[in-house]
Amino acid sequence: SAVISQKPSRDICQRGTSLTIQCQVDSQVTMMFWYRQQPGQSLTLIATANQGSEATYESGFVIDKFPISRPNLTFSTLTVSNMSPEDSSIYLCSGGGTGAGNTIYFGEGSWLTVV
Amino acid sequence: AQSVTQLGSHVSVSEGALVLLRCNYSSSVPPYLFWYVQYPNQGLQLLLKYTTGATLVKGINGFEAEFKKSETSFHLTKPSAHMSDAAEYFCAVSADTGRRALTFGSGTRLQVQP
Repeated sequence: SAVISQKPSRDICQRGTSLTIQCQVDSQVTMMFWYRQQPGQSLTLIATANQGSEATYESGFVIDKFPISRPNLTFSTLTVSNMSPEDSSIYLCSGGGTGAGNTIYFGEGSWLTVV
Repeated sequence: AQSVTQLGSHVSVSEGALVLLRCNYSSSVPPYLFWYVQYPNQGLQLLLKYTTGATLVKGINGFEAEFKKSETSFHLTKPSAHMSDAAEYFCAVSADTGRRALTFGSGTRLQVQP
């Protein structure tokens, strides 16, 4: 199994600012992902964080708005840029092995409120 | 592409009653199926998963799910609900298509009445 830690766990952000969320895994994982969970909604994949290269973004998400880094197998960051109230969400980091049947583990989430 | 449909955004049961949360999937290749639980103000925790082999899968906290290919279903059950089971439950699917990430259903909020 893997334990995934995120920080900050919560934050209140001013409109127009940017915030970087950090994700640390206690063991090496091949795959890391970032999801968004808007209030009362399900999880939507933002991007796959690729070690040492640009992240792979899902439709509707762009690098300028959500830049992602993954310098090694246990650490990744997600930045939410130029925030607006619509960005108020839970952002979840997750990770797991390569095989599609492997368990994906999730962090506790970072709860962002944009005012 | 894979997709998941969870029937019923809210389910309410009495303590001690059977819990049944429904999940149907769509996949052009053999799927891998997961149930996650999210307690209030927390992240997601894996309840159980189906990959290959036995179609009846047992998970944590007394939950189990049965993979039925003919019905494209993976419903979650628990014989006797406990107050601590109140949470949001998500069904998810992945497959060996190169897209490794999970695709989630819309979630079902389980309420347990005393």
